[in-house]
Amino acid sequence: QKEVEQDPGPLSVPEGAIVSLNCTYSNSAFQYFMWYRQYSRKGPELLMYTYSSGNKEDGRFTAQVDKSSKYISLFIRDSQPSDSATYLCAMITQGGSEKLVFGKGTKLTVNP
Amino acid sequence: DTEVTQTPKHLVMGMTNKKSLKCEQHMGHRAMYWYKQKAKKPPELMFVYSYEKLSINESVPSRFSPECPNSSLLNLHLHALQPEDSALYLCASSQVFLGTAVGEDYGYTFGSGTRLTVV
Repeated sequence: QKEVEQDPGPLSVPEGAIVSLNCTYSNSAFQYFMWYRQYSRKGPELLMYTYSSGNKEDGRFTAQVDKSSKYISLFIRDSQPSDSATYLCAMITQGGSEKLVFGKGTKLTVNP
Repeated sequence: DTEVTQTPKHLVMGMTNKKSLKCEQHMGHRAMYWYKQKAKKPPELMFVYSYEKLSINESVPSRFSPECPNSSLLNLHLHALQPEDSALYLCASSQVFLGTAVGEDYGYTFGSGTRLTVV
């Protein structure tokens, strides 16, 4: 079993839709959870980070962590064509190695 | 614009060439990283520097040689590469994970990358 599982998609939605992106993980030592957005041929851009369980909201983006289920989510409200990108979840243990463990990434297309 | 600056943005090199990739950050981060990313794959960690010392080498071939001259700069020296080394090379930086600051934003930030083609 991979440490982090993420459905690679592709996922295609109409403009204005609510998008739900998810990752599951197996290592209960993960404490910090991040979502990155990566446009084609660019570096990953940090969207959200969350520590332990709970929700965090930033504009149209909401990140959720459920440590009991080892499940994290990113919701995008009122999706825009500019949200079309690959979304990568990443996680790291607290106080351990600085090595991020990434999911495979989900390719999202928002159609006008 | 990203706060981690990588140069050059594109590089084409022959298998006998020697070249260097450069990375710079001015966020006061004391951990810096090199990642390699192939098409449609997530980034793969190569090296980690913590307080200017190499702390992680993910069994990377010796044709890749990292260097951290100071807390703001990170280089990756390339020599005798193979065509399969063609990829997007990403630099990143963050606060060091000391294990004492709960919930702190470590600011794990990536640069835009250098797209390397080995011919």
